[in-house]
Amino acid sequence: DIQMTQSPSSLSASVGDRVTITCRASQSISTYLNWYQQKPGKAPKLLIYAASSLHSGVPSRFSGTGSGTDFTLTISSLQPEDFATYYCQQSYSNPRTFGQGTKVEIK
Amino acid sequence: QVQLVQSGAEVKKPGASVKVSCKTSGYTFTNYYLNWVRQAPGQGLEWMGTINPSGGSPYYAQKFEGRVTMTRDTSTSTVYMELNSLRSEDTAIYYCAREGGLAVVNFDYWGQGTLVTVSS
Repeated sequence: DIQMTQSPSSLSASVGDRVTITCRASQSISTYLNWYQQKPGKAPKLLIYAASSLHSGVPSRFSGTGSGTDFTLTISSLQPEDFATYYCQQSYSNPRTFGQGTKVEIK
Repeated sequence: QVQLVQSGAEVKKPGASVKVSCKTSGYTFTNYYLNWVRQAPGQGLEWMGTINPSGGSPYYAQKFEGRVTMTRDTSTSTVYMELNSLRSEDTAIYYCAREGGLAVVNFDYWGQGTLVTVSS
């Protein structure tokens, strides 16, 4: 199975900050990498697919980069509604493993 | 609009089985795989398996092989996930998620989740 490791596990940031979350795969997955946002009590929502493509309706302050084993999710200017937990997921092979999540909290 | 609506919360005793439904609408049911993902309290997301509504055998994560069965009913555009021999560690929210994407698979629409509590 491909292991996905996110860092950090949590972070505190202020509104307006630039936030970067990293995700590392245990083997090369090309750009078969997705990012999801989950708010408490809600289902996850797709943010970015194929490492860098923005899902429909997702604000442009979210961006993704990377290929191979190293990926990043960047929020260019953190907004109040962005405080949530973020997960990466590989879709290179089954099982479709997720990272452990990164919780973005208010500083 | 695409919708995935899941069945309600369940409370089960250890050793019992649970069957969760996911009724879809707003798109052609047979064109998209459906996946099941679970989330234990305070924990991350765990992929359980996938089913092709057009037919063929579902694919299950090895961890759940022998205990999970995913089925579909094309007449009602509904998929089901049945988990047997429940134990306390199976207490979780279970989500269905549609598999979108052409080149890179992703989960573009999710159900609202079904809480399954396993307790004696």
